Amino acid sequence: DAGVTQSPTHLIKTRGQQVTLRCSPKSGHDTVSWYQQALGQGPQFIFQYYEEEERQRGNFPDRFSGHQFPNYSSELNVNALLLGDSALYLCASSSLTQWTGDNSPLHFGNGTRLTVT
Amino acid sequence: GDSVTQMEGPVTLSEEAFLTINCTYTATGYPSLFWYVQYPGEGLQLLLKATKADDKGSNKGFEATYRKETTSFHLEKGSVQVSDSAVYFCALIFKAAGNKLTFGGGTRVLVKP
Repeated sequence: DAGVTQSPTHLIKTRGQQVTLRCSPKSGHDTVSWYQQALGQGPQFIFQYYEEEERQRGNFPDRFSGHQFPNYSSELNVNALLLGDSALYLCASSSLTQWTGDNSPLHFGNGTRLTVT
Repeated sequence: GDSVTQMEGPVTLSEEAFLTINCTYTATGYPSLFWYVQYPGEGLQLLLKATKADDKGSNKGFEATYRKETTSFHLEKGSVQVSDSAVYFCALIFKAAGNKLTFGGGTRVLVKP
């Protein structure tokens, strides 16, 4: 049973460029969340997608956008990249209505390391 | 808004030493509390959790007790191993908030042989 998979694992972009990161959720999960983890900091919630719609959003500018596909996979897009966007981007999947208190409410991928130069 | 504060690292210990990482939270209501661990190059793994006051979460020799009166969830391990070297994150969630985790800043732990 595959867990959460993210691609690519590493990416180097130049300021002003645009980037797309991809995520496939764990089998059986229908909700995808994205987090940004800057170096030496905790993950910060970007947004969450369910039923192909953005359901919640953290304190991130509109340069950050996303999409969820019918197969539940998701993309994170960042436009007009800034140096400060350099971070590890984590995707996490869940089944929105099924967390019963067992295990983890979110299952995380290994992340995409984005470096903006 | 909700927030989690944990002690800054790095914490450097010798093998078999006692480990404590402090975590306190600010939230309206009573969230569920978690400790996640992140090994180099990997994502976050759930270490333990507690869903209500006075619950004790435990796993792999680690323990943490949900203290409502002090809004704390300190992580402890009696005898650390080199393999415990990692970054540890305290986090909270409100189930009604759609499974959105709020994390602390993380504490890097380095265990030396």
